[in-house]
Amino acid sequence: EVQMVQSGAEVKQPGESLKISCKGSGYLFSSYWIAWVRQMPGKGLECMGIIYPSDSDTRYRPSFQGQVSISVDKSTHTAFLQWSSLKASDTAMYYCARLSSLTHVDVWGQGTPVIVSS
Amino acid sequence: DIQMTQSPSSVSASVGDRVTITCRAPHGLGAWFAWYQQKPGKVPKLLIHSTSTLQSGVPSRFSGSASSTDFTLTINKLEPEDFATYYCLQAGTFPAFTFGPGTKVDLK
Repeated sequence: EVQMVQSGAEVKQPGESLKISCKGSGYLFSSYWIAWVRQMPGKGLECMGIIYPSDSDTRYRPSFQGQVSISVDKSTHTAFLQWSSLKASDTAMYYCARLSSLTHVDVWGQGTPVIVSS
Repeated sequence: DIQMTQSPSSVSASVGDRVTITCRAPHGLGAWFAWYQQKPGKVPKLLIHSTSTLQSGVPSRFSGSASSTDFTLTINKLEPEDFATYYCLQAGTFPAFTFGPGTKVDLK
């Protein structure tokens, strides 16, 4: 069974750093792009960026460029989303997802809720 | 950044109704479209990909189509479990990987 399993909920203070993870299993991890998708409370879905595990080719949506960092560890089949200095506006649910043929997301992680509050 | 429009933003319907949701890709982008259903507190679920291909296990009352710049999701004979929010996704050369703002389908 193809699965994307994400790390657990996080509660952080503004200014702190954070790295959340997403482990893929049940498929050839290196051969599928992985996307990170943000969903702020009560809002819609936004694709933040995508990464290709085989060569770590990473693309960011302009509005997220410089705000987050996406990386991958092929050896552990894990993708990461990282912040160096969190803001309250980073409070959201973050999903990782597998892209199929770069035409659609076909498998989603369960989501990682991130709360940033002082 | 490519801006997608999705209409209507919300629709009130009854069980058995036909519901149509449309996304418009600016400049007639010839990219693939997919449709997702999301219920509160749940992970989005893929319904349609490659504009009109029904995902395995999805009921046939869901269908997708396209004309010019408009991409449409149709739900025939709405069932109680279909009340949810629906998102389109336009895929193409990144960063053109864009979700529509969503359409909430609720009970009239």
